[in-house]
Amino acid sequence: DARVTQTPRHKVTEMGQEVTMRCQPILGHNTVFWYRQTMMQGLELLAYFRNRAPLDDSGMPKDRFSAEMPDATLATLKIQPSEPRDSAVYFCASGLKPGTSGGSRYNEQFFGPGTRLTVL
Amino acid sequence: QKEVEQNSGPLSVPEGAIASLNCTYSDRGSQSFFWYRQYSGKSPELIMSIYSNGDKEDGRFTAQLNKASQYVSLLIRDSQPSDSATYLCAVNGPTGANSKLTFGKGITLSVRP
Repeated sequence: DARVTQTPRHKVTEMGQEVTMRCQPILGHNTVFWYRQTMMQGLELLAYFRNRAPLDDSGMPKDRFSAEMPDATLATLKIQPSEPRDSAVYFCASGLKPGTSGGSRYNEQFFGPGTRLTVL
Repeated sequence: QKEVEQNSGPLSVPEGAIASLNCTYSDRGSQSFFWYRQYSGKSPELIMSIYSNGDKEDGRFTAQLNKASQYVSLLIRDSQPSDSATYLCAVNGPTGANSKLTFGKGITLSVRP
């Protein structure tokens, strides 16, 4: 598919509960990013993967957040336990590493529709 | 700390006017530059990418890059109400294998009918 898909689109949960967000990158893309967007902080990079291997998760609170790519068509972001300050929109984006066959030179990233998370 | 600044805004222009959106960045070694458009409640959509100094035109959009002055701008000609959105500037670092983008906070554009 030529679009990044994300599920769920909306999630309301109570503090302390586990939250799992899923992302299907564009078929053939080898780089997957997780971002969080809030009014105060804007768009922040949480983690990213290339060829399913984690390259950088320095933007992610390690004690409660975890990101994985079980296979090339699925990326997951988990929060356990969730807190009200985690309320935000979480975006997944995918792209091709420059030099990869079919990729551009520009490191372009394409975003999914996002998961709007509310933690009460 | 790599920074991308979009300080001017919100911006309001009349329909048909030229909207000029500006962005500065701190990392002199940055190589790739992008403009994303984000409608309220939607995800960022890539509308322009630019790699070399100068202008790049795509329809009503023109991206301008000046690496010496470390700024990138987006011009929207014949602005339409449908252009009303937040525009995010994004910059990629100097290492070709590093795909990370740093985003500015965005400029909100309103086009008055």
